[in-house]
Amino acid sequence: EIVLTQSPGTLSLSPGERATLSCRASQSVSSTHLAWYQQKPGQAPRLLIFGASSRATGIPDRFSGSGSGTDFTLTINRLEPEDFAVYYCQQYGNSPPYTFGQGTKLEIK
Amino acid sequence: QVQLVQSGAEVKKPGSSVKVSCKASEDTFNNYAITWVRQAPGQGLEWMGGIIPMFGTPNYAQTFQGRVTITADESTSTVYMELSGLRSEDTAVYYCGRVGFGESRLFHYMDVWGKGTTVTVSS
Repeated sequence: EIVLTQSPGTLSLSPGERATLSCRASQSVSSTHLAWYQQKPGQAPRLLIFGASSRATGIPDRFSGSGSGTDFTLTINRLEPEDFAVYYCQQYGNSPPYTFGQGTKLEIK
Repeated sequence: QVQLVQSGAEVKKPGSSVKVSCKASEDTFNNYAITWVRQAPGQGLEWMGGIIPMFGTPNYAQTFQGRVTITADESTSTVYMELSGLRSEDTAVYYCGRVGFGESRLFHYMDVWGKGTTVTVSS
């Protein structure tokens, strides 16, 4: 089973700043099969990024993903008030289970 | 707009079972997999298992092997997740999600999520 470790656990920033979230895998994730999701309180998660760097439909270009192998990054430029949420990474495409990271909470400073 | 419609909240006794449904469109049912993920209060996301309805064979996370059963009903384009031997730790929101799949029937990312079904296990 691939274990995903996200850091930091909580990130405190102000609107307009840049957020950098990390997701590290315990073994290589094949073919950059890494997704990022955003979850706001009381809502289901929403797909942001798939294939490590491809934005899902309707996702603003201030969200970008990068990385390969075991190290992946989600970057959010020019934070908007609606971006403050919890973010999860997930690996897929290998044999199950398709594990999630434990999440990074992005909060307003 | 693609939607997955989940059944309503449930309250169950310890030791009992719960069956949660996820109704999809025909297109989703016939061309995608459906995955189940749960989230305990204040916790992260946990992948439980999934099924490709067109093939019918589910796969499950080892954590839930023997307790979870995922089935698909073609007549109603509905996928079901049944969890047995409920304990208080199973109190969570259960989400279904649409998932593409590739060669070897390996699952991809969840691009559409249901709104979630709250299951409370309490005596």
